[in-house]
Amino acid sequence: KQEVTQIPAALSVPEGENLVLNCSFTDSAIYNLQWFRQDPGKGLTSLLLIQSSQREQTSGRLNASLDKSSGRSTLYIAASQPGDSATYLCAVRWTPPYAGGTSYGKLTFGQGTILTVHP
Amino acid sequence: EPEVTQTPSHQVTQMGQEVILRCVPISNHLYFYWYRQILGQKVEFLVSFYNNEISEKSEIFDDQFSVERPDGSNFTLKIRSTKLEDSAMYFCASGDSRGFFGQGTRLTVV
Repeated sequence: KQEVTQIPAALSVPEGENLVLNCSFTDSAIYNLQWFRQDPGKGLTSLLLIQSSQREQTSGRLNASLDKSSGRSTLYIAASQPGDSATYLCAVRWTPPYAGGTSYGKLTFGQGTILTVHP
Repeated sequence: EPEVTQTPSHQVTQMGQEVILRCVPISNHLYFYWYRQILGQKVEFLVSFYNNEISEKSEIFDDQFSVERPDGSNFTLKIRSTKLEDSAMYFCASGDSRGFFGQGTRLTVV
């Protein structure tokens, strides 16, 4: 079964710290991996998308890496701020099972890491 | 930046009633999805839709659920006879290789 797991479940850090969130997935034949941010009671904001052929993606203070062979991705947040407090979700899209690429497969989500950055 | 729009943001309904959740995907996208998130749980896939037909559905998406693209802009999820356990946040997404999500509709079944 294709599953996504995130550790830790929760993380509390002081402002300014650099931190790493982890995501692991079964089955290395992924199509791509996406990191999202979710604020309480709100929708999902896409942060970074890594295609299966890529090793990392960067956006501002965020850097996501992908190691397909070990089934892992990490999200690195530099110089954390209180405004970074949210739940971070990792989601994997595995290669569609049917030929022709007529449909992109579903995203399978991890349970998320709840991040609290305190001043 | 273009965005996926969902209405209503919150809906309260009585058990057994029908509800329709509405979504306006990003205009040039061809692939549409519904997901749900029960409070405190993972985001779960319900159904994907392409070329005016369902391309994949999960075991959650039983006969009580249906999706429709009634016109060129809207994408709807209908729950025919709601149950208490249908209470969740429902997310619409559109995209190609990247998922763009709406802000969700919080459905409360009482």
